[in-house]
Amino acid sequence: NAGVTQTPKFRILKIGQSMTLQCTQDMNHNYMYWYRQDPGMGLKLIYYSVGAGITDKGEVPNGYNVSRSTTEDFPLRLELAAPSQTSVYFCASTLSGGNNEQFFGPGTRLTVL
Amino acid sequence: AQKITQTQPGMFVQEKEAVTLDCTYDTSDQSYGLFWYKQPSSGEMIFLIYQGSYDEQNATEGRYSLNFQKARKSANLVISASQLGDSAMYFCAMRGENRDDKIIFGKGTRLHILP
Repeated sequence: NAGVTQTPKFRILKIGQSMTLQCTQDMNHNYMYWYRQDPGMGLKLIYYSVGAGITDKGEVPNGYNVSRSTTEDFPLRLELAAPSQTSVYFCASTLSGGNNEQFFGPGTRLTVL
Repeated sequence: AQKITQTQPGMFVQEKEAVTLDCTYDTSDQSYGLFWYKQPSSGEMIFLIYQGSYDEQNATEGRYSLNFQKARKSANLVISASQLGDSAMYFCAMRGENRDDKIIFGKGTRLHILP
């Protein structure tokens, strides 16, 4: 199992550009999450999904969109990138419920200039 | 609304000493789960330990134990016999009662182990 994979690892965007951060998991997890981590800070939840076709907003959804057409994939779309979106983005997945730990991807470091 | 509070932004501990990282939480849910994660300087998130709100015993995983005090709403992480490799950021997190509820994280504590 590859676990949770994210692409790209690094990206520099200009203000106003758009991009999609890819996230794939091969563990057949139904729950998937997107977090952002600003320098020296904790993780803030952007969006999450409890299964294919179902998504919901987290703490900081503005400026982002997600889709979940398959169990495996949970892409995060940035429209009109802004400097405030400079951050490290983590995708995570878990089985539903209880004590199931979240498995994290390696992160995508995004800089918006 | 759920909230996780980690009040220690940074800690310095001598190697081989035990260390306690504080975590308090706020929730109105009757059933919930608490997690601790480690984030080394390389950036990956590493799961350490889990405690369920109905678990009667404190969770332990090797050198890690969770000091769970439900009435005080605290879930402190205890690392025994600290090692240089324990230097990292540590995050406390909570999952609420609903099985589709989100998991939220505290701001973290940066632990420095001194030789």
